[in-house]
Amino acid sequence: AQSVTQLDSQVPVFEEAPVELRCNYSSSVSVYLFWYVQYPNQGLQLLLKYLSGSTLVKGINGFEAEFNKSQTSFHLRKPSVHISDTAEYFCAVGLEPYTGTASKLTFGTGTRLQVTL
Amino acid sequence: DVKVTQSSRYLVKRTGEKVFLECVQDMDHENMFWYRQDPGLGLRLIYFSYDVKMKEKGDIPEGYSVSREKKERFSLILESASTNQTSMYLCASSQGSAGANVLTFGAGSRLTVL
Repeated sequence: AQSVTQLDSQVPVFEEAPVELRCNYSSSVSVYLFWYVQYPNQGLQLLLKYLSGSTLVKGINGFEAEFNKSQTSFHLRKPSVHISDTAEYFCAVGLEPYTGTASKLTFGTGTRLQVTL
Repeated sequence: DVKVTQSSRYLVKRTGEKVFLECVQDMDHENMFWYRQDPGLGLRLIYFSYDVKMKEKGDIPEGYSVSREKKERFSLILESASTNQTSMYLCASSQGSAGANVLTFGAGSRLTVL
């Protein structure tokens, strides 16, 4: 079975500073990787995803992530954060499902990004 | 522009009550999911459904059941609510069977069991 580890439960950062949110996964087979963001009092929305190809993936709001197969990591980065980036960020992995069923994602425990002035 | 709607944002129930959480999607998605979100534990899958009347257990199905009589609607049922089921419940949907499918989430239902 696959699993996801988000190494930091909280990341405080000043506005306009760079940030990296770490994510490691374990799986014996190839996976698909996702980052979702949850703003206060809202559901989750997709930030970016890695399916195949280029290991650097760009998402919405200036975020990007790099897939590193040898280190089984998919860290999320932004060069300059804004107050509005304050949210909880979830890393997730998905596998190809068995025939006739659906793929289900396994989520990490989340990282709360707190951006202050 | 709301695509996944959860009928109740906040519910307060008493121990032993039967609780229904309703979720409706308007995207004609095949798959629907119920997750539970708790601080420090992230999202954990309770049940999912890949077709009408079809369901599969997720990682934490104990104490829950589901119903999917129509494609657009997926209900989560707590037969006898307990205090340890106090949580945020998130419904999501996706299209197709591929592992790369993106989930669309509802805004969540926060359940408090007293």
